[in-house]
Amino acid sequence: DIQMTQSPSALSASVGDRVTVTCRASQTISKSLAWYQQRPGEAPKALIYEASTLQSGVPSRFSGSGSGTEFTLTISSLQPDDYATYYCQQYKTYPDTFGQGTKLEI
Amino acid sequence: QVTLKESGPTQVKLTQTLTLTCTFSGFSLRTGGVTVGWVRQPPGRPLESLAVIYWNDRKLYNPSLKDRLSITKDTSQNQVVLTLTNMDPVDTATYYCARSNILTGHYDTWGQGALVTVSS
Repeated sequence: DIQMTQSPSALSASVGDRVTVTCRASQTISKSLAWYQQRPGEAPKALIYEASTLQSGVPSRFSGSGSGTEFTLTISSLQPDDYATYYCQQYKTYPDTFGQGTKLEI
Repeated sequence: QVTLKESGPTQVKLTQTLTLTCTFSGFSLRTGGVTVGWVRQPPGRPLESLAVIYWNDRKLYNPSLKDRLSITKDTSQNQVVLTLTNMDPVDTATYYCARSNILTGHYDTWGQGALVTVSS
C-alpha cells in the first residue's frame, strides 16, 4: 500500500491566519490526491481533488498544490468554521489510503 | 441531490458477520464510471478504505481484509451491501459509504456513517 504522511499532526492557529498542511506519499502518485475536512461527529467532506481542483461549493480560501510525492493544502484566511481535522487521500492505486490527519485547533 | 445512507446493526458479537447496506439516491450505479466504496474509521483513528464496486460490477478489496470482505450491488434498489465476516473488537468503527467516479477518483459525497461496536 502507498503510505501517506501528513504534517503537522496538530496545528494551533487564529482566525484570519494563513495555514498550510503538508502530505507526503511513499511513492509517486502524479496528481491523484484529494483533501477532506472532517468536523467532530460528521462524515468527511471533499475539499480538493486532483491535487488542486476545488470541489464544487467549497470556499475559495481553500487551495491545493503539488504533484508526485509532495502536496500541500492551504487555507488563506482561517474562519471559525474551519476548525476541524483534515485528511489527504491518494487514489492512484487501490486500496486508496489516507493520511493520519491534521487537527486544526484554536 | 446526491445522498447516501448506511444502515445495519449498531452492535455485533465476536466472530459474527456484519452486513451493512448503503442506500443512495440522486445517481445510478448503471451509469458508466460511477463507483460506490466503503471506508471505516475506528474511534479517534484515521480513515481506512475497505472495498469499492464499479458500475460494471468490478470489485476491489483492501488486501489486508480481502478474505473477510464481500461487496455487492442491487441497482434496481439503489443499494450496495458490504459484509465483513469473523468480526473482532478491532473492527469497532464508524462505517461510511461514499460515491466516486473514475474520472475524478475521489469520494465526492459521503453517507453520515454508521457506528458498529463489536462486543466479546
